[in-house]
Amino acid sequence: GEDVEQSLFLSVREGDSSVINCTYTDSSSTYLYWYKQEPGAGLQLLTYIFSNMDMKQDQRLTVLLNKKDKHLSLRIADTQTGDSAIYFCAESLRGNTDKLIFGTGTRLQVFP
Amino acid sequence: DVKVTQSSRYLVKRTGEKVFLECVQDMDHENMFWYRQDPGLGLRLIYFSYDVKMKEKGDIPEGYSVSREKKERFSLILESASTNQTSMYLCASSQGRFQLFFGEGSRLTVL
Repeated sequence: GEDVEQSLFLSVREGDSSVINCTYTDSSSTYLYWYKQEPGAGLQLLTYIFSNMDMKQDQRLTVLLNKKDKHLSLRIADTQTGDSAIYFCAESLRGNTDKLIFGTGTRLQVFP
Repeated sequence: DVKVTQSSRYLVKRTGEKVFLECVQDMDHENMFWYRQDPGLGLRLIYFSYDVKMKEKGDIPEGYSVSREKKERFSLILESASTNQTSMYLCASSQGRFQLFFGEGSRLTVL
């Protein structure tokens, strides 16, 4: 079955690193994504990783993928107050590439 | 700049009313989607469409229908609104697997 799980809340101090975790159950996932939703807005693609990769780095963002454990994480270095948002992981499935399964979302709160 | 526009940001309706949520995209995308977002449940797919006049059920289609008469427009219809349909509704479009572009959402309250 298709299921994507995340913890609901994360609170960090400004300047620290944030790590948001996600687990998924479908081993046929081809792409995994992180979307960001700022207050009052829709979701925006933050970054993505192909299922044959272990890691991807993009400026302050690092995505780690552990296929054996079906675990995806997003690390935000030097977290800023502007990073406060809800972060969703999502997977697209082999054979159904245009449909995404989203996680429950993690609300990241950054305090000074 | 790519744009997905949802016609209403906030709506308040009464139980039993018919509700139309409109979504328009200006990117000539083939695919369009309707999700609902509820706290602790994330985004759940209601319906999607890969082409004009084509629709497919998502994970929670009960109580909803959709219409796609033109490529750029995808409408979500609640034939008889109920209180458990109070939610945030998000429309999205895409061209292929790579990236969904979302509208800002329509917050519906059913009294």
